[in-house]
Amino acid sequence: DGGITQSPKYLFRKEGQNVTLSCEQNLNHDAMYWYRQDPGQGLRLIYYSQIVNDFQKGDIAEGYSVSREKKESFPLTVTSAQKNPTAFYLCASSTKTASYNEQFFGPGTRLTVL
Amino acid sequence: AQSVAQPEDQVNVAEGNPLTVKCTYSVSGNPYLFWYVQYPNRGLQFLLKYITGDNLVKGSYGFEAEFNKSQTSFHLKKPSALVSDSALYFCAVRDRASSASKIIFGSGTRLSIRP
Repeated sequence: DGGITQSPKYLFRKEGQNVTLSCEQNLNHDAMYWYRQDPGQGLRLIYYSQIVNDFQKGDIAEGYSVSREKKESFPLTVTSAQKNPTAFYLCASSTKTASYNEQFFGPGTRLTVL
Repeated sequence: AQSVAQPEDQVNVAEGNPLTVKCTYSVSGNPYLFWYVQYPNRGLQFLLKYITGDNLVKGSYGFEAEFNKSQTSFHLKKPSALVSDSALYFCAVRDRASSASKIIFGSGTRLSIRP
C-alpha cells in the first residue's frame, strides 16, 4: 500500500452523523480517487480529482462530498444523506500524464453504521 | 460504454497446479487492461497491465495474462499455484480513447489454493 495512507482503519458512525475519512499520498500524483467496495460488487467510483481544487462525481456520488485543497490530500465526507454507508472505502492515486498508468491504493477504511 | 466481466465468483485450485482467472471486457475503442490483487482487509495491489505490443504480459509474483483481441479477453494465469496466492483478484479496463481517468473494475474472483 506504500505511499498512500488512510485513516482511521475502522470507523463507527451513528445514524444522522457526518464522518470524514482521511486519504494522504506522498507519491506526487495528480489524480486521486475514492471507491466504495461492497461484497460481490467490486469497486464503485464515488469521486475523483485530476488536480487541486477540482473534482468530479463518479458513479455513486450521492450522499458523499470531497475536497482537494492540497495535492497530497483528498478527504471524503460521508453525510447523513447516504442511506447505506456501511462499506469498505478505498482511496487511490495515479499520475495524470497517461491513462495507461495504474492506480495505487491505500489500505482502506471500514465504516460501520451503528 | 465500457464494462468488464469476471464470470467466476470463485476459483479453486490445488497447490502446484496451473491456475486461470477469467476476464472479458467491452470498450468502444482499444483497451488498457489491468489485474489487481486484494488480500483480506487490505487495499488493492497492482499485478500487471496490457498497454500495447506483446499479447502475453508478465507481472508480479509469477503471474501473467494474455490479451486476446478477438475474444475480448484478458485471462490471468500462473503455471504453478501457491497457497499464498489465495486472495481476491480484480480485472479492470480503461478505454484508450477516453480522455477521462476513469477505470472500470470487475466484480472480483476469489482464488482459493488448497495445500
